[in-house]
Amino acid sequence: DTAVSQTPKYLVTQMGNDKSIKCEQNLGHDTMYWYKQDSKKFLKIMFSYNNKELIINETVPNRFSPKSPDKAHLNLHINSLELGDSAVYFCASSQDLPRKDLGSTDTQYFGPGTRLTVL
Amino acid sequence: AQSVTQLGSHVSVSEGALVLLRCNYSSSVPPYLFWYVQYPNQGLQLLLKYTSAATLVKGINGFEAEFKKSETSFHLTKPSAHMSDAAEYFCAVSEGRFGNEKLTFGTGTRLTIIP
Repeated sequence: DTAVSQTPKYLVTQMGNDKSIKCEQNLGHDTMYWYKQDSKKFLKIMFSYNNKELIINETVPNRFSPKSPDKAHLNLHINSLELGDSAVYFCASSQDLPRKDLGSTDTQYFGPGTRLTVL
Repeated sequence: AQSVTQLGSHVSVSEGALVLLRCNYSSSVPPYLFWYVQYPNQGLQLLLKYTSAATLVKGINGFEAEFKKSETSFHLTKPSAHMSDAAEYFCAVSEGRFGNEKLTFGTGTRLTIIP
């Protein structure tokens, strides 16, 4: 059983188009994330949602809009795609937000990634 | 602000030799530290994590890492390399502030195993 799944696995599109990447987790987790991995393998967080509420929104262009219809899904919609958007996008999920007072943090489980190529 | 530095973007070791992948972190609060592995064309898989319990952390596939606060390091080791260990390894730090969990990753180290 796939824990965190993403579709599509590969996405090739022209500049200026609008595209979406879907993410689903069947782990019952409350928190989901989107990360971007560039051509140099550098990974950086973009967004995180907890119970459908936006928690983290890093400095990401407004063309990127996450949408969480329910806590098992976090989709990423990208408007007016640019060449620099080409990257691998990873979705992740964790059980909950960390509780520093309890000394706990939850492991983030990653999906297989979506390789986006903008021509 | 938190950050991670991985020394050596490429490391090659012979099969059966010691694996040592270096990671240094910067954090304004006691950090949580992670090592993830990425096999070709796959997502990231957690190897191990440090969350302020034991400083020597054991993970999957025979890997372990030691948290050294005085050196701000969290180096990953494995006594004997196996061909299947060839992959990209990422160190990550989180300050774990409630309500603002995010992982900050290093730039990765590609591990090559020489037969």
